[in-house]
Amino acid sequence: DAGVIQSPRHEVTEMGQEVTLRCKPISGHDYLFWYRQTMMRGLELLIYFNNNVPIDDSGMPEDRFSAKMPNASFSTLKIQPSEPRDSAVYFCASSYIGLAGSGEQYFGPGTRLTVT
Amino acid sequence: QQPVQSPQAVILREGEDAVINCSSSKALYSVHWYRQKHGEAPVFLMILLKGGEQKGHDKISASFNEKKQQSSLYLTASQLSYSGTYFCGTESTGANNLFFGTGTRLTVIP
Repeated sequence: DAGVIQSPRHEVTEMGQEVTLRCKPISGHDYLFWYRQTMMRGLELLIYFNNNVPIDDSGMPEDRFSAKMPNASFSTLKIQPSEPRDSAVYFCASSYIGLAGSGEQYFGPGTRLTVT
Repeated sequence: QQPVQSPQAVILREGEDAVINCSSSKALYSVHWYRQKHGEAPVFLMILLKGGEQKGHDKISASFNEKKQQSSLYLTASQLSYSGTYFCGTESTGANNLFFGTGTRLTVIP
């Protein structure tokens, strides 16, 4: 298996623009997680899905952020409008089992977002 | 709800041992441990569930003290490949979220 695939790997955009990050989980994994990592705040869980349904989005920072999972093999994280403080590395991860089931998460390579 | 990790950084010589601690103010259901090398994604090490279990593989093991809401990661006879930042993630009882600590940067030198 190719592992979790994320695109783009790097994104540079201007403040106010819409940004869409993409993720393809490992085939057969029922859970998909979106994380954000910054030096100041560390690794933060933003939202996660089970069988394409959002389970917990309490980590989504504000209404400018939205995530969708239209099918089992694709998810997007959208920021509209983007702000400089959104600059971070965004990771997608997937697992067979959810948090309460001791599931090992496989992380994608991440998307480094820079908002100028 | 973010767990507290200690120490923040540690430098070891090859062959030395280290302990990384993770503590929470919440009652915990599970503790997850990951290692991240610079510029790479986090990689899973192990998960411990409440019940006070211990786990280990190779020379890396961990314990979970449910009553103290703490977990410790033990690295014995460290190797250069152990260098990286170690994160603990905690899942509180009844919650649907996972909070990561700020990480412990471990550097192993020859």
